[in-house]
Amino acid sequence: DVKVTQSSRYLVKRTGEKVFLECVQDMDHENMFWYRQDPGLGLRLIYFSYDVKMKEKGDIPEGYSVSREKKERFSLILESASTNQTSMYLCASRRTSGVYEQYFGPGTRLTVT
Amino acid sequence: AQSVTQLDSQVPVFEEAPVELRCNYSSSVSVYLFWYVQYPNQGLQLLLKYLSGSTLVKGINGFEAEFNKSQTSFHLRKPSVHISDTAEYFCAVSDMVRIYNQGGKLIFGQGTELSVKP
Repeated sequence: DVKVTQSSRYLVKRTGEKVFLECVQDMDHENMFWYRQDPGLGLRLIYFSYDVKMKEKGDIPEGYSVSREKKERFSLILESASTNQTSMYLCASRRTSGVYEQYFGPGTRLTVT
Repeated sequence: AQSVTQLDSQVPVFEEAPVELRCNYSSSVSVYLFWYVQYPNQGLQLLLKYLSGSTLVKGINGFEAEFNKSQTSFHLRKPSVHISDTAEYFCAVSDMVRIYNQGGKLIFGQGTELSVKP
C-alpha cells in the first residue's frame, strides 16, 4: 500500500513564525503536491513538484514556498505565518506517466494565532 | 478553464436510504473524473475514477458513478447507505494536458458533506 505521512497532525504557531510542514511518501512517486483545504472551498493547490528540485506554482502560492531535495520528501514552508494561513494542509503523491490517482496523507491542521 | 461544481454542500439521509451526490464539470477537452472520500480527521482516499469506456463506474464500499458527457455530470450514488458512510465527498477532474504536463493536477469541487442518521 502507498503510504503518505505528514510530520504533524496538529500544529499551533504564532504570527510571524517560520513554519515547516513535512511530507514523506514511500512508493517512489515522482509527483508530489501540497493543498490547503478550507470549508466551502474544497482543496486548492499551493505547489506541486514533478521531480527532485523541480517545483511549480499551483493556484494559491502566495505566502508559501516548497523544497524537494529528495524524491520521497516534499516540504511546505510558511516564511512568516499569518492568521489567514490557518487551515488544513494536505500532501499527496502520484506516479507519473499515466492516468494515476493521487494518494493523500492524513493532513496537518495548522492554527496561527 | 476547467471547473467542478458540487451542487449540494450538505446531504442528510437516513440509514439504508439511497443517496446521490451531484457533480457537474466544465471543460473544452476530454476529461478524467474522480470521486474521493474524506472520513473525519483523515486524508482523502479514492472511491472511484472514470478514465474511458463504460460510463457506469463501480468503486469501493458499494458506491458507483455515471459519466454523462452530454450533461457534463458525474454523479455519485449508493443504493443503501450506512452510518459509516458519513464523510465529506469530493469530485475532481483532470485532462490529458494536466496528466502529462502538469504532474496530474486535479481540479476539485467544493465538497459535499454526507451525514447518515440512524
